[in-house]
Amino acid sequence: QLQLQESGPGLVKPSETLSLTCAVSGASIRINSYYWGWVRQPPGKGLEWIGSIYYSGSTYYNPPLRSRVTISVDTSKNQFSLKMSSVTAADMAVYFCARHSSAATGILFEYWGQGIMVTVSS
Amino acid sequence: QSALTQPPSASGSPGQSVTISCTGTSSDVGGYSYVSWYRQYPGKAPKLIIYEVSKRSSGVPDRFSGSKFGNTASLTVSGLQAEDEADYHCSSYAGSNDVVFGGGTKLTVL
Repeated sequence: QLQLQESGPGLVKPSETLSLTCAVSGASIRINSYYWGWVRQPPGKGLEWIGSIYYSGSTYYNPPLRSRVTISVDTSKNQFSLKMSSVTAADMAVYFCARHSSAATGILFEYWGQGIMVTVSS
Repeated sequence: QSALTQPPSASGSPGQSVTISCTGTSSDVGGYSYVSWYRQYPGKAPKLIIYEVSKRSSGVPDRFSGSKFGNTASLTVSGLQAEDEADYHCSSYAGSNDVVFGGGTKLTVL
């Protein structure tokens, strides 16, 4: 059974960098045709795709966030990570990691982590 | 790109039907047959229930159905049950490995 688990600081200061890791268990991250992504949800609001990575290292980012986001993968540890720089209060949200299908099938998020709340405050 | 537009809330009594709309543009909803719907209970992760506009994920009852006309997709829940009370989010492929979500709709079973 595939499981994803987010980890990282739950509190980040304004202007600093948010760093989260998603540990994948129950399957290899080196799987063809599936991508590993990050989705966030501000309190009481809808979902927002942040970006995704393939095990080979190819990345895709949501255009409005592209300048501040870096997603990387560590296949030896079966995990992938998110870094978001220059955070503001607008970045406060629950951050989910997820596995999704390719664009050929419309990018379906089929497996999700439980989510981690990140607060931005000094 | 802008989020898809969903009504913030919807409601219905047990046994009734309710439809939730999801409006985008010709660059997302109207341009692809890749609209999905997710159900999310409070404090939980979303779960995929509908994909490719109208296909149900495994284990999802046929009380849930999806459709699309032009730039607007819809999720209909028939025979409402108490367990259907949740937040529902639509999403659409938007080209170039891009995906966009709606703002979410809180469904209340009266």
